Amino acid sequence: GNSVTQMEGPVTLSEEAFLTINCTYTATGYPSLFWYVQYPGEGLQLLLKATKADDKGSNKGFEATYRKETTSFHLEKGSVQVSDSAVYFCALSDDPYSGAGSYQLTFGKGTKLSVIP
Amino acid sequence: DAGITQSPRYKITETGRQVTLMCHQTWSHSYMFWYRQDLGHGLRLIYYSAAADITDKGEVPDGYVVSRSKTENFPLTLESATRSQTSVYFCASSESGDRGSNEQFFGPGTRLTVL
Repeated sequence: GNSVTQMEGPVTLSEEAFLTINCTYTATGYPSLFWYVQYPGEGLQLLLKATKADDKGSNKGFEATYRKETTSFHLEKGSVQVSDSAVYFCALSDDPYSGAGSYQLTFGKGTKLSVIP
Repeated sequence: DAGITQSPRYKITETGRQVTLMCHQTWSHSYMFWYRQDLGHGLRLIYYSAAADITDKGEVPDGYVVSRSKTENFPLTLESATRSQTSVYFCASSESGDRGSNEQFFGPGTRLTVL
């Protein structure tokens, strides 16, 4: 079955530091890949996504590239801010072309990021 | 309000009681999902629905019941609550039929405590 592995936290960084959160996956075919963010006390919000190999998703200064050869989708940001403190989830959904799509998402366990001034 | 809403936002109940968590979406999305979020486990799928009157089990369905008589509503019922069902529950919805657009939109969550 599908699975997602992301680096365990918590991660604590100083403001303006570089951020990388690693994510690797196991799935058949070409799943869609997502990063969701959860701010304290809130639900999950889509941060970015990529639907095919070599696609780069980007939003709010965050980027992630869909690497089929390494089955990875690492999240990066060049300069984090205190407002980026949140829990980040990597997720994948079934290959939409597989015919078996149930539109389920498989999530990693989440990485808590704290950014200090 | 437009979007996806959950009620109640907080609930405390006792072991053995029946509890129903409500989820409502205004987008007419075909797919709806229920997840539970627990420390160390991330989000785990309980049940999902592809359309009205079509539901299917997810990863952790035991102890839960769902129904979907209308497209916009997807209630989750704990028939006899147990302490292990103390968790934060998230409802989500998604469009269908658009290849590659499997983005899910999440509600704000319900924090359930079973004493």
